Amino acid sequence: AQSVTQPDIHITVSEGASLELRCNYSYGATPYLFWYVQSPGQGLQLLLKYFSGDTLVQGIKGFEAEFKRSQSSFNLRKPSVHWSDAAEYFCAVGPNDYKLSFGAGTTVTVRA
Amino acid sequence: GAGVSQTPSNKVTEKGKYVELRCDPISGHTALYWYRQSLGQGPEFLIYFQGTGAADDSGLPNDRFFAVRPEGSVSTLKIQRTERGDSAVYLCASSPAGATRLGEQFFGPGTRLTVL
Repeated sequence: AQSVTQPDIHITVSEGASLELRCNYSYGATPYLFWYVQSPGQGLQLLLKYFSGDTLVQGIKGFEAEFKRSQSSFNLRKPSVHWSDAAEYFCAVGPNDYKLSFGAGTTVTVRA
Repeated sequence: GAGVSQTPSNKVTEKGKYVELRCDPISGHTALYWYRQSLGQGPEFLIYFQGTGAADDSGLPNDRFFAVRPEGSVSTLKIQRTERGDSAVYLCASSPAGATRLGEQFFGPGTRLTVL
């Protein structure tokens, strides 16, 4: 069975500071990995995805994530956060791109 | 263009009642997905349609839950004999194609179901 753990329930970061959100997964083969963002009143939006190839993946809004097979991790990073990055972030894993298992999410608060 | 829309945005019902939740996918998207998001949790896969047929309904929790997509566009999630534990946000998503390496799911805003 596949599963996702996002160890941090809530992170507060200053505007302009760097951000890293952790994601650890459990899956028997090479998974499909995703990061989604959910802003209040908005639907989930795909930030980036990894299927194969280069383990450093670039996404939208200046986000990137790195797949580390040895650590079963897919951490999300952004060098400099903006107030508009305040949202809930979900990591997801799956054997394909539809039957996804999501983590419980990390809420990011950005302070001025 | 228009995104995925879901109606109603909020639904309050009483235990034991029947409810229908509607999803209008992005025009031309052949794949449609339903998820359920309970409070404090990530979305949980329920069912996936490719066209009119349910390609994978393994996430439906029990036989009180049923979904249809008769014309390959709009989908309705139906819940019979609702229970308080069914309270959650029900999310719908669509994609241009299903189960492909490039398929991106576009999510609607969800329907918040509250069972009293």
